[in-house]
Amino acid sequence: DIVLTQSPGTLSLSPGERATFSCRASQRISNRYLAWHQQRPGQAPRLLIYGASSRASRIPDRFSGSGSGTDFNLTISRLEPEDFAVYYCQQYGSSPGTFGQGTTVEIK
Amino acid sequence: QVQVERSGAEVKKPGASVRLSCKASGYTFTDYYMHWVRQAPGQGPEWMGIIDPNGVNTNYAQKFQGRVTMTRDTSRNTVYMELNSLRSDDTAVYFCARGARVASGLIDYWDPGTLVSVSS
Repeated sequence: DIVLTQSPGTLSLSPGERATFSCRASQRISNRYLAWHQQRPGQAPRLLIYGASSRASRIPDRFSGSGSGTDFNLTISRLEPEDFAVYYCQQYGSSPGTFGQGTTVEIK
Repeated sequence: QVQVERSGAEVKKPGASVRLSCKASGYTFTDYYMHWVRQAPGQGPEWMGIIDPNGVNTNYAQKFQGRVTMTRDTSRNTVYMELNSLRSDDTAVYFCARGARVASGLIDYWDPGTLVSVSS
């Protein structure tokens, strides 16, 4: 199974700041089949980014994804209050699909 | 608009079985693969398996092989997941989630989830 390691575990930032965090895979992810999901407290996850860099429907353009191979990043250009949440990467290029352990973006 | 009707929260004893259901509406149910994913308290999501649009083929994570069964009733737009021989570490929120049209392994919609608690 492909293991996804996210870093940092927690990011403490203020609204308006830029957030960047990473997802590293134990093996190359084929076709850049890497997604990012956001989970707010008490809610189900929702898809933000797929194919490493494509925004899902109705996702604001302050969210952007990059990377290929084994190293991927998610950037939030200017944090809004609703962006403080947990972010998970998911690889879907190999079965079984796997998730990272998450990065928590908290208010500083 | 995607809507999901879920079975309610469950409390089970170790060794018991649980069967969860997920009824979808707002899209053409038979066009999509469906996943089951669970999330233990304070943990990341864990993929359990997938069922194809017609309910004929399934693919389960090795960890759950022999203990999980996923089925689908296309006439009712409903998917089911049964997990047997429950243990305390099966306590989690269980999500049914839709596989995207662009790639079935990609999850593009998550339902709100159902809590299953396993305790003696």
